[in-house]
Amino acid sequence: DQQVKQNSPSLSVQEGRISILNCDYTNSMFDYFLWYKKYPAEGPTFLISISSIKDKNEDGRFTVFLNKSAKHLSLHIVPSQPGDSAVYFCAASESGSARQLTFGSGTQLTVLP
Amino acid sequence: GAGVSQTPSNKVTEKGKYVELRCDPISGHTALYWYRQSLGQGPEFLIYFQGTGAADDSGLPNDRFFAVRPEGSVSTLKIQRTERGDSAVYLCASSSLGLPQETQYFGPGTRLLVL
Repeated sequence: DQQVKQNSPSLSVQEGRISILNCDYTNSMFDYFLWYKKYPAEGPTFLISISSIKDKNEDGRFTVFLNKSAKHLSLHIVPSQPGDSAVYFCAASESGSARQLTFGSGTQLTVLP
Repeated sequence: GAGVSQTPSNKVTEKGKYVELRCDPISGHTALYWYRQSLGQGPEFLIYFQGTGAADDSGLPNDRFFAVRPEGSVSTLKIQRTERGDSAVYLCASSSLGLPQETQYFGPGTRLLVL
C-alpha cells in the first residue's frame, strides 16, 4: 500500500512557464513533507520542505503548497529552466521516533528550451 | 566539504553470492540511513543508525540483509545469498543529529545487479 503517491510519471513544460508537480498521501500521521530532485547517476538532492503547521513555503523559484484536509501537496517551479529537468520525488515523515522518509515513485520533469 | 560517498558505484554478482556495500557519511553526522530504490520506484527505507546502533531496522526485507556501523561513521550493508530481486540501487544518506525534520543528504548510490 503506497502511502505517498505521485500519479504523474512525467511532465513536460516549456522554458519560462510554471511547472506544477503533485503528490498525495494517505497516512494522517505524516507531519513533515519534502521534495527531492534527482539527476541520473546521482543521489536525490534536497530541494524544499514544509511542516504540517504551514500551508506554504517558498524558496526562490520553488514553492511548496500543503493542503492537509485533502492530504495533497504540490511543488511549483516558476519560471522553469532547462536545468530543472530531473526526477522529482515527494517524501513524507512522522515526527515521532521514526526517522525514515517515505517516498513517492517520482515525476520526470522535462523543461523544453 | 565532502558529501556522502558510496562504494562501489556498481556491483555485478551472481545469484547466491554475498555482497557488501559501503557508505561514508558526511563527517560528523551521527545519523545514517540506508534506502533501496528499485526501477521506476522511489527510495524505500531499510535501516537507520544513530551512532553505532541500529535505531530502526524495520525496513530490512528479510534476514539475508544486515548492516553495521561499528565506529559510528562508515556503514556496511551486507546481503547474503543474493537473489535476482535484490537488484536495485542502494542509497545511503546521513543527517547531522538524527532529529525529526532534519535534512537527509544522499550519496550517489550503489547499483547492484544480481545475475
